Amino acid sequence: KAGVTQTPRYLIKTRGQQVTLSCSPISGHRSVSWYQQTPGQGLQFLFEYFSETQRNKGNFPGRFSGRQFSNSRSEMNVSTLELGDSALYLCASSLASGGLDEQFFGPGTRLTVL
Amino acid sequence: TQLLEQSPQFLSIQEGENLTVYCNSSSVFSSLQWYRQEPGEGPVLLVTVVTGGEVKKLKRLTFQFGDARKDSSLHITAAQPGDTGLYLCAGPKAGNNRKLIWGLGTSLAVNP
Repeated sequence: KAGVTQTPRYLIKTRGQQVTLSCSPISGHRSVSWYQQTPGQGLQFLFEYFSETQRNKGNFPGRFSGRQFSNSRSEMNVSTLELGDSALYLCASSLASGGLDEQFFGPGTRLTVL
Repeated sequence: TQLLEQSPQFLSIQEGENLTVYCNSSSVFSSLQWYRQEPGEGPVLLVTVVTGGEVKKLKRLTFQFGDARKDSSLHITAAQPGDTGLYLCAGPKAGNNRKLIWGLGTSLAVNP
Protein backbone atom coordinates (compact mmCIF):
# COMPACT_ATOMS: atom_id res chain seq x y z
CA LYS A 1 0.00 0.00 0.00
CA ALA A 2 1.48 3.34 -1.02
CA GLY A 3 2.14 5.84 1.76
CA VAL A 4 1.19 9.47 2.01
CA THR A 5 2.75 11.54 -0.74
CA GLN A 6 3.37 15.27 -0.73
CA THR A 7 4.38 17.51 -3.59
CA PRO A 8 6.54 19.38 -4.07
CA ARG A 9 9.20 18.26 -1.58
CA TYR A 10 11.03 21.58 -1.65
CA LEU A 11 9.87 25.07 -2.53
CA ILE A 12 11.50 28.49 -2.48
CA LYS A 13 9.29 31.56 -2.66
CA THR A 14 9.63 35.27 -1.97
CA ARG A 15 7.61 37.39 0.40
CA GLY A 16 4.17 38.32 -0.87
CA GLN A 17 3.84 35.34 -3.18
CA GLN A 18 1.38 32.54 -2.67
CA VAL A 19 1.95 28.79 -2.64
CA THR A 20 -0.12 25.63 -3.02
CA LEU A 21 0.96 22.34 -1.49
CA SER A 22 -0.54 18.98 -2.34
CA CYS A 23 -1.12 15.83 -0.31
CA SER A 24 -2.34 12.43 -1.45
CA PRO A 25 -3.45 10.25 1.49
CA ILE A 26 -3.21 6.51 1.83
CA SER A 27 -5.88 4.82 -0.26
CA GLY A 28 -9.07 4.48 1.78
CA HIS A 29 -8.16 7.21 4.28
CA ARG A 30 -10.71 10.00 4.34
CA SER A 31 -9.11 12.28 6.92
CA VAL A 32 -6.23 14.59 6.04
CA SER A 33 -4.59 16.88 8.58
CA TRP A 34 -2.02 19.56 7.91
CA TYR A 35 0.76 20.66 10.26
CA GLN A 36 3.47 23.30 10.26
CA GLN A 37 6.73 22.21 11.86
CA THR A 38 9.45 24.64 12.95
CA PRO A 39 12.34 24.11 15.39
CA GLY A 40 11.01 26.66 17.85
CA GLN A 41 7.30 25.83 17.77
CA GLY A 42 7.31 22.13 16.96
CA LEU A 43 4.29 20.71 15.18
CA GLN A 44 1.45 23.18 14.99
CA PHE A 45 -1.94 21.94 13.80
CA LEU A 46 -3.33 23.85 10.82
CA PHE A 47 -6.56 22.08 9.91
CA GLU A 48 -8.20 18.73 9.30
CA TYR A 49 -10.44 17.70 6.45
CA PHE A 50 -12.73 14.70 6.40
CA SER A 51 -14.92 13.82 3.43
CA GLU A 52 -14.30 17.24 1.85
CA THR A 53 -15.38 19.13 5.00
CA GLN A 54 -13.10 21.04 7.34
CA ARG A 55 -13.61 19.36 10.72
CA ASN A 56 -11.06 21.21 12.82
CA LYS A 57 -8.94 24.30 12.58
CA GLY A 58 -5.85 25.51 14.41
CA ASN A 59 -4.86 29.04 15.36
CA PHE A 60 -3.45 30.27 12.08
CA PRO A 61 -4.38 33.42 10.16
CA GLY A 62 -6.77 33.34 7.24
CA ARG A 63 -3.83 33.39 4.81
CA PHE A 64 -3.68 29.66 5.43
CA SER A 65 -6.46 27.75 3.75
CA GLY A 66 -7.10 24.27 2.48
CA ARG A 67 -9.51 22.03 0.72
CA GLN A 68 -10.15 18.38 0.11
CA PHE A 69 -11.35 16.76 -3.07
CA SER A 70 -13.75 13.88 -3.55
CA ASN A 71 -10.83 11.46 -3.93
CA SER A 72 -9.55 12.62 -0.49
CA ARG A 73 -6.54 14.40 -1.96
CA SER A 74 -5.97 17.69 -0.21
CA GLU A 75 -4.33 20.98 -1.01
CA MET A 76 -3.11 23.70 1.27
CA ASN A 77 -2.70 27.29 0.17
CA VAL A 78 -0.74 30.09 1.81
CA SER A 79 -1.25 33.56 0.41
CA THR A 80 0.88 36.67 0.91
CA LEU A 81 3.84 34.70 2.18
CA GLU A 82 5.86 36.04 5.11
CA LEU A 83 9.38 35.13 6.19
CA GLY A 84 7.94 33.39 9.25
CA ASP A 85 6.06 30.95 7.03
CA SER A 86 9.33 29.16 6.28
CA ALA A 87 8.79 25.68 7.71
CA LEU A 88 8.26 22.02 7.01
CA TYR A 89 4.62 21.45 6.12
CA LEU A 90 3.43 17.96 6.91
CA CYS A 91 0.22 16.25 6.02
CA ALA A 92 -1.11 13.17 7.74
CA SER A 93 -3.91 10.84 6.78
CA SER A 94 -6.04 8.56 8.92
CA LEU A 95 -9.08 6.41 8.52
CA ALA A 96 -11.25 8.30 10.98
CA SER A 97 -11.54 11.93 11.93
CA GLY A 98 -10.21 13.27 15.20
CA GLY A 99 -7.08 12.80 17.24
CA LEU A 100 -7.48 9.21 18.42
CA ASP A 101 -6.83 7.37 15.18
CA GLU A 102 -3.26 6.61 14.07
CA GLN A 103 -2.00 9.25 11.69
CA PHE A 104 0.31 8.40 8.82
CA PHE A 105 2.56 11.27 7.82
CA GLY A 106 4.01 12.19 4.48
CA PRO A 107 7.64 13.32 4.12
CA GLY A 108 6.65 16.97 4.11
CA THR A 109 7.19 19.99 1.90
CA ARG A 110 10.09 22.20 2.93
CA LEU A 111 9.04 25.80 2.22
CA THR A 112 11.62 28.57 2.29
CA VAL A 113 10.43 32.17 2.05
CA LEU A 114 13.09 34.72 1.06
CA THR B 1 2.95 27.80 26.85
CA GLN B 2 3.59 24.26 25.68
CA LEU B 3 0.93 21.90 27.04
CA LEU B 4 3.27 18.94 26.59
CA GLU B 5 6.80 19.52 27.84
CA GLN B 6 9.45 17.14 26.57
CA SER B 7 12.86 16.72 28.16
CA PRO B 8 15.64 16.73 27.52
CA GLN B 9 15.47 18.80 24.35
CA PHE B 10 18.70 17.29 23.00
CA LEU B 11 20.54 14.10 23.87
CA SER B 12 23.77 12.74 22.42
CA ILE B 13 24.94 9.35 23.64
CA GLN B 14 27.20 6.47 22.66
CA GLU B 15 25.94 3.24 21.20
CA GLY B 16 25.03 0.76 23.93
CA GLU B 17 23.98 3.32 26.53
CA ASN B 18 20.53 3.47 28.10
CA LEU B 19 18.39 6.61 28.13
CA THR B 20 15.03 7.95 29.23
CA VAL B 21 13.10 10.85 27.76
CA TYR B 22 10.08 12.46 29.31
CA CYS B 23 6.79 13.97 28.26
CA ASN B 24 5.07 15.97 31.00
CA SER B 25 1.93 18.04 31.35
CA SER B 26 -0.22 19.64 34.00
CA SER B 27 -3.27 18.51 32.01
CA VAL B 28 -4.87 15.09 31.84
CA PHE B 29 -4.73 13.28 28.54
CA SER B 30 -7.06 10.49 27.47
CA SER B 31 -4.10 8.84 25.72
CA LEU B 32 -0.58 9.67 24.59
CA GLN B 33 1.16 8.74 21.38
CA TRP B 34 4.90 8.53 20.80
CA TYR B 35 6.32 9.17 17.35
CA ARG B 36 9.83 9.06 15.91
CA GLN B 37 10.81 11.39 13.10
CA GLU B 38 13.95 10.81 11.08
CA PRO B 39 15.59 13.57 9.04
CA GLY B 40 13.73 14.27 5.81
CA GLU B 41 10.74 12.21 6.84
CA GLY B 42 7.45 12.66 8.62
CA PRO B 43 6.81 11.29 12.14
CA VAL B 44 6.03 7.58 12.46
CA LEU B 45 3.84 6.29 15.26
CA LEU B 46 5.66 4.02 17.72
CA VAL B 47 3.02 3.36 20.35
CA THR B 48 -0.16 4.65 21.96
CA VAL B 49 -0.64 4.39 25.73
CA VAL B 50 -4.18 4.64 26.98
CA THR B 51 -4.51 3.44 30.58
CA GLY B 52 -2.94 5.23 33.56
CA GLY B 53 0.08 3.22 34.74
CA GLU B 54 0.27 1.30 31.48
CA VAL B 55 3.64 -0.03 30.31
CA LYS B 56 4.24 -1.06 26.71
CA LYS B 57 7.37 -2.58 25.24
CA LEU B 58 8.54 -2.40 21.67
CA LYS B 59 11.79 -4.39 21.40
CA ARG B 60 14.34 -2.21 23.27
CA LEU B 61 11.86 0.63 23.83
CA THR B 62 9.70 0.78 26.97
CA PHE B 63 6.86 3.30 27.21
CA GLN B 64 5.07 4.19 30.41
CA PHE B 65 1.95 6.29 30.98
CA GLY B 66 1.71 7.99 34.36
CA ASP B 67 -0.94 6.90 36.82
CA ALA B 68 -2.66 10.29 36.59
CA ARG B 69 -2.38 10.31 32.76
CA LYS B 70 -0.46 13.59 32.84
CA ASP B 71 2.96 12.29 31.87
CA SER B 72 4.77 9.58 29.97
CA SER B 73 8.30 8.30 29.57
CA LEU B 74 10.25 6.43 26.92
CA HIS B 75 13.21 4.30 27.97
CA ILE B 76 15.62 2.91 25.39
CA THR B 77 17.93 0.08 26.37
CA ALA B 78 21.27 -0.39 24.63
CA ALA B 79 20.69 2.42 22.14
CA GLN B 80 21.79 1.90 18.55
CA PRO B 81 22.58 4.43 15.79
CA GLY B 82 19.28 3.46 14.15
CA ASP B 83 17.47 4.96 17.15
CA THR B 84 18.67 8.43 16.11
CA GLY B 85 15.82 10.82 15.46
CA LEU B 86 13.34 13.26 16.94
CA TYR B 87 11.02 11.65 19.49
CA LEU B 88 7.66 13.37 19.77
CA CYS B 89 4.80 12.82 22.15
CA ALA B 90 1.26 13.87 21.33
CA GLY B 91 -2.15 13.43 22.82
CA PRO B 92 -5.73 14.59 22.71
CA LYS B 93 -6.65 16.53 25.81
CA ALA B 94 -9.28 14.80 27.93
CA GLY B 95 -12.63 16.16 26.88
CA ASN B 96 -11.40 17.26 23.45
CA ASN B 97 -10.48 14.27 21.32
CA ARG B 98 -10.58 16.11 18.07
CA LYS B 99 -7.21 17.82 18.20
CA LEU B 100 -3.79 16.43 19.03
CA ILE B 101 -1.48 18.46 21.26
CA TRP B 102 2.20 17.99 20.40
CA GLY B 103 5.39 18.33 22.42
CA LEU B 104 8.46 19.97 20.87
CA GLY B 105 10.33 16.68 20.90
CA THR B 106 13.62 15.24 22.09
CA SER B 107 16.34 15.11 19.47
CA LEU B 108 18.40 11.97 20.05
CA ALA B 109 21.76 11.24 18.46
CA VAL B 110 23.31 7.82 19.04
CA ASN B 111 26.96 7.78 18.04
CA PRO B 112 28.64 4.54 16.91
